[in-house]
Amino acid sequence: GIQVEQSPPDLILQEGANSTLRCNFSDSVNNLQWFHQNPWGQLINLFYIPSGTKQNGRLSATTVATERYSLLYISSSQTTDSGVYFCAVGGDSNYQLIWGAGTKLIIKP
Amino acid sequence: GAVVSQHPSWVICKSGTSVKIECRSLDFQATTMFWYRQFPKQSLMLMATSNEGSKATYEQGVEKDKFLINHASLTLSTLTVTSAHPEDSSFYICSAYGTIFEETQYFGPGTRLLVL
Repeated sequence: GIQVEQSPPDLILQEGANSTLRCNFSDSVNNLQWFHQNPWGQLINLFYIPSGTKQNGRLSATTVATERYSLLYISSSQTTDSGVYFCAVGGDSNYQLIWGAGTKLIIKP
Repeated sequence: GAVVSQHPSWVICKSGTSVKIECRSLDFQATTMFWYRQFPKQSLMLMATSNEGSKATYEQGVEKDKFLINHASLTLSTLTVTSAHPEDSSFYICSAYGTIFEETQYFGPGTRLLVL
């Protein structure tokens, strides 16, 4: 099956810093999503991005499908950006998602 | 739009009791719902996929008699942990996939289960 690898596993930054999170996947996919899980456990959809580039405020994402990776950029980090960022890709059927292990981001004030 | 609720958010129970968790899509019809389990500091583990009106499809290693899933309507799915034991303690998360929002699943806030 498809393997999803995220890096780095942990990231600690000062407020205001920029960061780049990476997601590598082992096979072609027709669905790639980024999620943020806040410290209370709620998963929030960030981007549906099987290819191309999207931006939403301070966050942007780029997926290069031919090279099987996606990047999530966070600019001018705020403490509320803390949490775990997951990359998930579309599996074989039934809209299932295959999840990466996540990147834990801590933003210090 | 695309709001999914889960109830209860917290439950503490004694070993041997059954616990029911409800997952509702509040503003869209969910043709497919997913149930996940998440251990501390780990990623989400898919337990089962349920489609409205049909039996759930369980992932390998998930006991269907232990984790009963019912998807009786397009807005409600329930997960019942039967005869819960301490090893069933975990964070359970549901998600819904609807005909309107075809690109992505939307997640409930999760239910923390502690079995004593």
